[in-house]
Amino acid sequence: QQQVKQSPQSLIVQKGGIPIINCAYENTAFDYFPWYQQFPGKGPALLIAIRPDVSEKKEGRFTISFNKSAKQFSLHIMDSQPGDSATYFCAASQERAGNNRKLIWGLGTSLAVNP
Amino acid sequence: NAGVTQTPKFQVLKTGQSMTLQCAQDMNHEYMSWYRQDPGMGLRLIHYSVGAGITDQGEVPNGYNVSRSTTEDFPLRLLSAAPSQTSVYFCASSYSWDTEAFFGQGTRLTVV
Repeated sequence: QQQVKQSPQSLIVQKGGIPIINCAYENTAFDYFPWYQQFPGKGPALLIAIRPDVSEKKEGRFTISFNKSAKQFSLHIMDSQPGDSATYFCAASQERAGNNRKLIWGLGTSLAVNP
Repeated sequence: NAGVTQTPKFQVLKTGQSMTLQCAQDMNHEYMSWYRQDPGMGLRLIHYSVGAGITDQGEVPNGYNVSRSTTEDFPLRLLSAAPSQTSVYFCASSYSWDTEAFFGQGTRLTVV
């Protein structure tokens, strides 16, 4: 059972477009929501993260929108560039006793930005 | 600052062989994890550690062993390789679960 559902699986946009990647979760105890970016042949790298006490966070051209009541969070990439072409993963984790906290990952979205 | 170093980058094994994937980090992170990445499956947690001497299973632990004798190193052992273990393996470390996880470059393993 996928605890974090990510969509779409793949996405193609033109340069300058605004791709939007969505993630939905069921566990209301999740309290940390990061997005990771992965280029071919490389490991994932943290892009931006949000906690449920804010509804939006921006870092450069990347924005996370968080809707706690809908249990959804989204990544928006403003003025997308061909260099943004990568796989994007959302994730979530929750506080647990005994250091038993884990990151739960979405299945990823492959983004292609055409020049 | 090297970050997270994984070796080897590529490996081909025959079915039944054993091997160890090495992972080392120089950031004094307590949390370390091993993931496997397969097409369409995202990142699946194999084993993780919250400090030296402490390890626990992730969602796909069968066929793999880990140990954590030092803060820096977290090797992953394949006991008897099977074709189903063909995958890309990533090691990651972080200060805690809700802080940035740093990933290694990955090991592409093929079992024939």
